[in-house]
Amino acid sequence: DQQVKQNSPSLSVQEGRISILNCDYTNSMFDYFLWYKKYPAEGPTFLISISSIKDKNEDGRFTVFLNKSAKHLSLHIVPSQPGDSAVYFCAASVTNRDDKIIFGKGTRLHILP
Amino acid sequence: DVKVTQSSRYLVKRTGEKVFLECVQDMDHENMFWYRQDPGLGLRLIYFSYDVKMKEKGDIPEGYSVSREKKERFSLILESASTNQTSMYLCATNGGVREQYFGPGTRLTVT
Repeated sequence: DQQVKQNSPSLSVQEGRISILNCDYTNSMFDYFLWYKKYPAEGPTFLISISSIKDKNEDGRFTVFLNKSAKHLSLHIVPSQPGDSAVYFCAASVTNRDDKIIFGKGTRLHILP
Repeated sequence: DVKVTQSSRYLVKRTGEKVFLECVQDMDHENMFWYRQDPGLGLRLIYFSYDVKMKEKGDIPEGYSVSREKKERFSLILESASTNQTSMYLCATNGGVREQYFGPGTRLTVT
């Protein structure tokens, strides 16, 4: 039973254009959402997060949008750069003692020259 | 900066061997986690610990055990390695914030 779903296994975007990565979730108790980026043979690195009390959070070229009614979030990367080619994981958590994070299966982003 | 180190980047073991994967963090974080990453399956939580000598099962604990004798160190143990445990193993930590910080990973191959 997948609580965090990334339905696109891969995405190709032209350099300089906008990359939009999507994520859906099923658990309405999730109150914090995160995006991680992962290069091959490296550990994931934290990218950006958003609390459920917000609908948008921006950090430089990265913006995360949250639509609670649709249980959907998206990561926008503008403009896309070659170094953005990586696997992106969407993740969600519920405020409690253990701080567990539930990860999606990931979307591989290819930035085309 | 949070630093999470893992004992090996690449490891090759034989079926039936006992395997130890070690993770050390230098930020005095309470929570530590072990995941495995497989293509098409994302990151799956094996075990986690929120204090010394405390451990909790994650989503896929079968075939694994853990040890946390000191706050900074969290070990993952494969009691009898099998080929289906060939994977990338990732350790993570957090403390006081929701974001988890990951180590570089150990690529384990069981032959």
